[in-house]
Amino acid sequence: KNEVEQSPQNLTAQEGEFITINCSYSVGISALHWLQQHPGGGIVSLFMLSSGKKKHGRLIATINIQEKHSSLHITASHPRDSAVYICAVRGNFGNEKLTFGTGTRLTIIP
Amino acid sequence: DAGVTQSPTHLIKTRGQQVTLRCSPKSGHDTVSWYQQALGQGPQFIFQYYEEEERQRGNFPDRFSGHQFPNYSSELNVNALLLGDSALYLCASSLMAGRVTGELFFGEGSRLTVL
Repeated sequence: KNEVEQSPQNLTAQEGEFITINCSYSVGISALHWLQQHPGGGIVSLFMLSSGKKKHGRLIATINIQEKHSSLHITASHPRDSAVYICAVRGNFGNEKLTFGTGTRLTIIP
Repeated sequence: DAGVTQSPTHLIKTRGQQVTLRCSPKSGHDTVSWYQQALGQGPQFIFQYYEEEERQRGNFPDRFSGHQFPNYSSELNVNALLLGDSALYLCASSLMAGRVTGELFFGEGSRLTVL
């Protein structure tokens, strides 16, 4: 079993729909990152969370430390949101390497 | 403000050769991490450099080595290339505050093909 599991692996939705991507992890962490990767490879960091909730524009990220679970929400989805969304967790102090999920491929249809 | 820059963007090598990839961190950042991303997979942590020292290492053989320079830029060297080393190599920079690594900024990556 991977230390970081994402669901779904693939998601296709219509423009305007509310999107939720889930991430579960099995190790102790100091922070969780949500990343966006477009075709061609470049990765953009969307959020870094250690507790609670963060919002940036149409994107919202939440984390529940007790349940070892995080969600990324996209409101009013748009075709430009089409990308691979990756959850990555940072270990506790002294073991700060990032462990990545395999990603969720999101396609928004106009 | 320049972000993280990596070079080269693409390169092709043959088995047994050696390759050096370069990364310049975002201005003000002092920590560089390297990741390998095989096609269709999530990135895998290779190592992290801080204060010119390898701070932490993932599960990669000694053929993978690195260096950080006084200006915080970094190199990733891979010796005796194997076909399985074909991947996108990503560099990420951050600022170390105390013992805590801050938010990451990624470069566009160097795509290595080994024939």
